[in-house]
Amino acid sequence: AQKVTQAQTEISVVEKEDVTLDCVYETRDTTYYLFWYKQPPSGELVFLIRRNSFDEQNEISGRYSWNFQKSTSSFNFTITASQVVDSAVYFCALSEIITQGGSEKLVFGKGTKLTVNP
Amino acid sequence: GAVVSQHPSRVICKSGTSVKIECRSLDFQATTMFWYRQFPKQSLMLMATSNEGSKATYEQGVEKDKFLINHASLTLSTLTVTSAHPEDSSFYICSARGRGPYEQYFGPGTRLTVT
Repeated sequence: AQKVTQAQTEISVVEKEDVTLDCVYETRDTTYYLFWYKQPPSGELVFLIRRNSFDEQNEISGRYSWNFQKSTSSFNFTITASQVVDSAVYFCALSEIITQGGSEKLVFGKGTKLTVNP
Repeated sequence: GAVVSQHPSRVICKSGTSVKIECRSLDFQATTMFWYRQFPKQSLMLMATSNEGSKATYEQGVEKDKFLINHASLTLSTLTVTSAHPEDSSFYICSARGRGPYEQYFGPGTRLTVT
């Protein structure tokens, strides 16, 4: 079965530090998608990125960057020059195909709580 | 685009009563919606997959008679927690599948407290 491991339960950094959130996944699917979501204290999930299994290019979006390595089944997320507003719980997720024809569900990791202190 | 709303955002109910949570896709049609539950400081766990016009598919361990799901239209799915108990207190989040592969748009969540 699919599994997503976020080994870091909580991380605390000081503003302007860089921080990397780790995500390791397990899947038997050859085609799959990986996601990162941010959940601030309000609770609403904020979509950050979706990456398919055939695209191993690293991606950068402002202060955010993602490193996808199929060889190690990892999809790590780095925040550069962290800010207090980055404080949230971050979830990594993996798509899982349930049935032929594309019905799928998302399997979430347990999340990493990031606290950025001023 | 791709906005999903949930109503109510918070609800408090007494033990033994039922409560209905609505999930709406505001600017797109969603043939499939998903219901998740999140306990405090824990991850999201999929409860069921709801397809418009057909019965929902429940995950193992989720009681279908307790968590009634109805997906009567392409923009609305409802979750009814029947005979609620304090242990049902949780954060319930819905999502709607978009047109792209594996796209899911999440609602803001509903915090249920059963007293």
